[in-house]
Amino acid sequence: GAVVSQHPSRVICKSGTSVKIECRSLDFQATTMFWYRQFPKKSLMLMATSNEGSKATYEQGVEKDKFLINHASLTLSTLTVTSAHPEDSSFYICSAAGTVSYEQYFGPGTRLTVT
Amino acid sequence: GNSVTQMEGPVTLSEEAFLTINCTYTATGYPSLFWYVQYPGEGLQLLLKATKADDKGSNKGFEATYRKETTSFHLEKGSVQVSDSAVYFCALSVGAGNMLTFGGGTRLMVKP
Repeated sequence: GAVVSQHPSRVICKSGTSVKIECRSLDFQATTMFWYRQFPKKSLMLMATSNEGSKATYEQGVEKDKFLINHASLTLSTLTVTSAHPEDSSFYICSAAGTVSYEQYFGPGTRLTVT
Repeated sequence: GNSVTQMEGPVTLSEEAFLTINCTYTATGYPSLFWYVQYPGEGLQLLLKATKADDKGSNKGFEATYRKETTSFHLEKGSVQVSDSAVYFCALSVGAGNMLTFGGGTRLMVKP
């Protein structure tokens, strides 16, 4: 089946620094990738949708200058949390969808802790 | 707009008990319906899906039937195990954009 990886799985950073999270589709070409944020014991909140080679579409209330998304290839998307603050601490999950199936395949998530 | 409503948890059951997690939806169009499972500290895994009315999705003993007349997609399992303890998300997708709309999630705890 389709596999999506995320790296790192956990990251701790200091307030004010930037953190990059990678999302890779390992065995299929992902024309669309999605980034979600999940708060403790809550559902997933869609942050943005990115299509390969074009700018990401951000959901209302998500700061595009803070959460930089790049989808430079059909197998890689990155989320960079710039000038991170403790309130950015969360579980970030990506998913990827190809051209044939309507199905999204999810990565294992990245736990970000900002101290 | 699209929305998914599922029963709030936590749902606590004894091993081998019968499980039902209710899910209803509203959609502007003809949705595909999904159940995802999230184990502690992990991402989401697709559990089962159904793409048209009266379809039954099934996997690992879990079942859900796409009921257009009641706009529901309830998750059931005849005999739960401790290893089924997780959070379950109902979701829908409409059209070719692949965007998912999630319900709030239901935490299931199965005790031995």
